[in-house]
Formats: sequence, structure tokens, C-alpha cells
Amino acid sequence: DTAVSQTPKYLVTQMGNDKSIKCEQNLGHDTMYWYKQDSKKFLKIMFSYNNKELIINETVPNRFSPKSPDKAHLNLHINSLELGDSAVYFCASSHEPGHVYNEQFFGPGTRLTVL
Amino acid sequence: GQNIDQPTEMTATEGAIVQINCTYQTSGFNGLFWYQQHAGEAPTFLSYNVLDGLEEKGRFSSFLSRSKGYSYLLLKELQMKDSASYLCAVMDSNYQLIWGAGTKLIIKP
Repeated sequence: DTAVSQTPKYLVTQMGNDKSIKCEQNLGHDTMYWYKQDSKKFLKIMFSYNNKELIINETVPNRFSPKSPDKAHLNLHINSLELGDSAVYFCASSHEPGHVYNEQFFGPGTRLTVL
Repeated sequence: GQNIDQPTEMTATEGAIVQINCTYQTSGFNGLFWYQQHAGEAPTFLSYNVLDGLEEKGRFSSFLSRSKGYSYLLLKELQMKDSASYLCAVMDSNYQLIWGAGTKLIIKP
């Protein structure tokens, strides 16, 4: 199936731990994103990345870092987890900015709970 | 600053029509998107408007007025499965998506 996939779907961990969420897309897209959706359901962009440029939302703590081993993958590493990091994290992908087909396709989400 | 406004919640009856409004103020404009998000699931793409006017796709239509900074999503012949959140998002001059907080649509029998 062509899609955006991310693992794990659920992640429960203790404060202070370091964790990673993986994302892969096989849609041939050039740009990938990480979003955070909190309990109020507001989607907040964290990062957008293509093979040329990483754009970081300046409000994102530097405990969060994206790692892209290749164009099809964008993983999210989180250090020293805090209670406020509990949320659903969505990965998404799209064609490059300005492409005529520019909608974003979302992965199923990772529900992170920090205890 | 950049801002997207849409109602927090709306209620409608099965079989009826509902219109969800979205107003925006952004740095530049490269199109407006509507996404549907069912509870516990990922957002899925519904429509894209970049020119003024109405785009129709089955039971769903989306309208855009760039001069007014305004869009609406029209859902006809409502079905129970249309109960979801509807997210309005605008692509700004840097091709970044600015998201609204979403409108939770509740469909009653």
C-alpha cells in the first residue's frame, strides 16, 4: 500500500527518558513534516524538511530533533521527555513547495504519554 | 500575525446541509485546504481552493473568496459518518500550512 506510516502507534514512557518515533513514506514525496496535536486538537507544525532545507518552528524545544536518513524517512527524536510532551504526533508528506498537487498526506499518528 | 478562525463546534441533523466557515489572515496566500479528521485518526484531505469560487466534489463543496479572506465547506445529505472535525488550513507565501483549530461537527439522527 502506498502511504505514510509511522511507528509506534502508542508510546508510554517515563519523564526524563529519550525516545524516537519513526516515519516512512512511499509516495515519492520530497517534503516531510512532523506535527504535534495536543488535547485541544490543535495541529501545530514542528518541522518541515526536504532534501534542501530544514525549517524548524522556533517554538519547538531543542529537545526535539528530526533525523532524515533518506528522502523517504523522517524520524523524530525526543530527549529528556516532559509531561507536557504528551500528545499525538503526526508525520506527513507532500510534493515540494509550489507543486500543483500540494496536499499533505498524514500518517496514522503516535500517541505519546509521558508519566 | 497569522490567524485562521473557524467555529469550535456545530451540530446538524442527518440528511440536512451544513456550512462550516473559515476566515483567515496570513502572510501571502498559496491556497486553502479543508481536511477531515475522525476522532483518533489522522487528518485526510478533502479539498483545495486557490482561485475564487466553488469547487464541488460529491456531497462536499468548498468555496473561496480571496478578497474577503473567507472560505466555507458545504456538506450536503449529511450522514452519521460525517461526524468529525473539519480543519481549515491556508498555505502562506513560504508554502507553510497555517492550521485552524478545527470545527467539531456533531450529526444527530
